[in-house]
Amino acid sequence: GQQLNQSPQSMFIQEGEDVSMNCTSSSIFNTWLWYKQDPGEGPVLLIALYKAGELTSNGRLTAQFGITRKDSFLNISASIPSDVGIYFCAGFPGSSNTGKLIFGQGTTLQVKP
Amino acid sequence: GAVVSQHPSWVICKSGTSVKIECRSLDFQATTMFWYRQFPKQSLMLMATSNEGSKATYEQGVEKDKFLINHASLTLSTLTVTSAHPEDSSFYICSAGRLGAGANVLTFGAGSRLTVL
Repeated sequence: GQQLNQSPQSMFIQEGEDVSMNCTSSSIFNTWLWYKQDPGEGPVLLIALYKAGELTSNGRLTAQFGITRKDSFLNISASIPSDVGIYFCAGFPGSSNTGKLIFGQGTTLQVKP
Repeated sequence: GAVVSQHPSWVICKSGTSVKIECRSLDFQATTMFWYRQFPKQSLMLMATSNEGSKATYEQGVEKDKFLINHASLTLSTLTVTSAHPEDSSFYICSAGRLGAGANVLTFGAGSRLTVL
């Protein structure tokens, strides 16, 4: 089945540093979503991308939908302790309109004050 | 914005009993809801797609008789784990959304942690 390869698997950074994570796929996705999950909670949507090449920001977060439609990245600038959590990329594959989201494996972010 | 509520947030049960988890869309009507399972330090795994007024569609490898899904209204879907066993212990998360061409956005519930003793 379709898979999303997310990297890095984990990151341990100093407060104030910038962070970058990405997802790639061997097949085309028509929507890319980035979620954050805190322990014991459900995922919360951070950024949604709908068009190839789209670059969208949400505060200190910036994400882009790759031109090939097979990749996306998420950048976090000037990290703060509350950025700690697990970040997931997710997408709707191809021309699918079923709502079945495919998730990446997640990136665990730890921020040292 | 769209809010999805799950209940209970956590439940502990004895092996062999059945447990029902509810997923409600509070301020919108959800034509489709999705149920996920998440093991510790792993990603979300789609279990089934719940469609209002019709049978759920299960992903490969998910036992439909084990995980009963009912989507009786446009705002409520339930997942019943029947004859639960310790290996069913997991974090179960639902999502709901209005689907259509263009902006497909799913809102997730806060999850329900099931522990089977």
